[in-house]
Amino acid sequence: DTAVSQTPKYLVTQMGNDKSIKCEQNLGHDTMYWYKQDSKKFLKIMFSYNNKELIINETVPNRFSPKSPDKAHLNLHINSLELGDSAVYFCASSQDRRGTGALSNGYTFGSGTRLTVV
Amino acid sequence: AQKITQTQPGMFVQEKEAVTLDCTYDTSDPSYGLFWYKQPSSGEMIFLIYQGSYDQQNATEGRYSLNFQKARKSANLVISASQLGDSAMYFCAMRESASGGSYIPTFGRGTSLIVHP
Repeated sequence: DTAVSQTPKYLVTQMGNDKSIKCEQNLGHDTMYWYKQDSKKFLKIMFSYNNKELIINETVPNRFSPKSPDKAHLNLHINSLELGDSAVYFCASSQDRRGTGALSNGYTFGSGTRLTVV
Repeated sequence: AQKITQTQPGMFVQEKEAVTLDCTYDTSDPSYGLFWYKQPSSGEMIFLIYQGSYDQQNATEGRYSLNFQKARKSANLVISASQLGDSAMYFCAMRESASGGSYIPTFGRGTSLIVHP
C-alpha cells in the first residue's frame, strides 16, 4: 500500500493551460504539504494544510491554488501554466504539524509529479 | 539568509568507509527539529533520521547517526560503512515555529554523495 500517492507521475502540457495534481495519504496523518523541487534540486515548501485548514502559504503566485476536501487529500491546481512552473512537485504528510508525533517518521513524501510546460 | 546550509555540493567516499555530510542551521526558535532525507536517482524522498533540539543524545538509526552540536548549530549526518546504494542526494531540513501555531520545514540545497566500489 502506497502511503502518499500522487497522480499523475508525469505531466506535459502547453503554456497557458490549467492542470491539477492530486495527492492522497492513507497514514491517518493530520498535516499535508506541497513542495516544489526545481532543476537544481532545491526543495521549497509551497503550502501546508492541517485537518483541511491552510496553515502555511508561502510566497507562491496566486495561479497556484491548493484544495483539501478532507485531511487525507490535498490537491494542487495550477492556472495559466508558465515555462517556469516546470519542476517536480512533491506532496508530503506528517502525523501532526510539528512532523514529529510519537510514531512519526518525519515527513512522508509522495513519489513526485514531474511537470513539464512547453 | 539561508536557514539550512549544506556546504558540500558533492562528496565521494570509498565503499565500506564512513562519511560525514555537513549541515549548519540558523534559527531563534528554542524548540526546533532537524531531519535528514535521502533522494536516490529514482527521485523519491526517504526519511533517514530526526533530532529534536531538546534531545540530549545524538540520534542514531542503523548506519546513520546525527552529530548534533547545538552550540555550533550543526547537525552533521554520519553514514558508517558506506554501501553503493548510499549514492544519492542528501538533504538536511529543519522544522521551526512560524506564526499562527504552524511549523515550517525548510530544506538545504543538498549534498550529492557518490560511493565508489
